[in-house]
Amino acid sequence: EAGVAQSPRYKIIEKRQSVAFWCNPISGHATLYWYQQILGQGPKLLIQFQNNGVVDDSQLPKDRFSAERLKGVDSTLKIQPAKLEDSAVYLCASSTRGQETQYFGPGTRLLVL
Amino acid sequence: AQSVTQLDSHVSVSEGTPVLLRCNYSSSYSPSLFWYVQHPNKGLQLLLKYTSAATLVKGINGFEAEFKKSETSFHLTKPSAHMSDAAEYFCVVSHNQAGTALIFGKGTTLSVSS
Repeated sequence: EAGVAQSPRYKIIEKRQSVAFWCNPISGHATLYWYQQILGQGPKLLIQFQNNGVVDDSQLPKDRFSAERLKGVDSTLKIQPAKLEDSAVYLCASSTRGQETQYFGPGTRLLVL
Repeated sequence: AQSVTQLDSHVSVSEGTPVLLRCNYSSSYSPSLFWYVQHPNKGLQLLLKYTSAATLVKGINGFEAEFKKSETSFHLTKPSAHMSDAAEYFCVVSHNQAGTALIFGKGTTLSVSS
């Protein structure tokens, strides 16, 4: 089966610009996650969706980050405006409803200059 | 609150020798624990998971981990390292009782020399 797809793979922007990342989960996976992985650290959960509803966004910096999953499949994560400290790899993962095993995409590497 | 501590940021071994990556956890209830591996420029891959069944968990590629409640540890081992095992390894604990939100450790870089 196809894995989790993410695009773009790499993005370089200047601070104060906006950027968006896209994720397509594994077919049939109801739960979708966005993680931020800063260099040298483990991934940190930003937001969790169950179908098109938000389950947990407690660690999402809502003044600049937003995410949506309108039809319960694809998801986009947006940063506006970007700061230098947003430079990181943004990982998308998905799982079947109620299951713990999460399957991760390859990530989008963001560099903010 | 749940957390994990990976005790070594970098482990170096020779090919064919045993691997030990150490992890301690903290959880206010019976945890689910995982080990994930991340190869350069590749996505995270699940190695194994513990969910309160057998305390010795076998994973892919010859890795295994033992859950020790008395020591709050979940160390990852492999009898004989292979060059392809060189990667970043993350110990992970579930964040909530449903086990769906994950908290990652800082990672251990495993280097394997020939």
